[in-house]
Amino acid sequence: QVQLQESGPGLVKPSETLSLTCSVSGGSISSYYWSWIRQPAGKGLEWIGRFYTSGTTSYNPSLKSRVTMSVDTSKNQISLKMSSVTAADTAVYYCARDGMAGLVNWGQGTLVTVSS
Amino acid sequence: EIVLTQSPGTLSLSPGERTTLSCRASQSVSSSYLAWYQQKPGQAPRLLIYAASSRAPGVPDRFSGSGSGTDFTLTISRLEPEDFAVYYCQQYGSSPTFGQGTRLDIK
Repeated sequence: QVQLQESGPGLVKPSETLSLTCSVSGGSISSYYWSWIRQPAGKGLEWIGRFYTSGTTSYNPSLKSRVTMSVDTSKNQISLKMSSVTAADTAVYYCARDGMAGLVNWGQGTLVTVSS
Repeated sequence: EIVLTQSPGTLSLSPGERTTLSCRASQSVSSSYLAWYQQKPGQAPRLLIYAASSRAPGVPDRFSGSGSGTDFTLTISRLEPEDFAVYYCQQYGSSPTFGQGTRLDIK
């Protein structure tokens, strides 16, 4: 059973870059799509972007200019970077394994607060 | 961008009742790429249905999905206490989007 675990700073200052890592255990990250999703407190889900381990990426058009996803296959990790953050980026961030059957496996999520 | 509109926003029902949740898309969605998720407080979403009508492994058969084109539904045939949660639809084509969610409350 694939398990995902997000990690990273819980507090980021406005205008700085948010950096998160998703560690995958119980399976290889190769040959799968991986997505990041976020959820502000009390609100709905927002898809951030999708990454395939060959390097193909697809980002939410509203976030595309600020988002970068990458993979470290040696560590079985996927990373997310979001630049120029504001308070509106405060949310729980999830990583998930993506594919023809939707978002099959999810991490537990990590709360990121943007505040000075 | 495909906008998904879920209705109703909130539903108050009793255990044992049957319910249907709606998800309407602003343009046609391939049925191969429509999913439903359940989310309970403090937890990550859980995949229930993919490809519009296929149940994910381990999902009870009281959950069923149907629909095509722009109109999709999630039916729960007989509500159990653990089914009271928020439900989201998602189209997971080339640029995925989520509906705003339907909250299912205990009456």
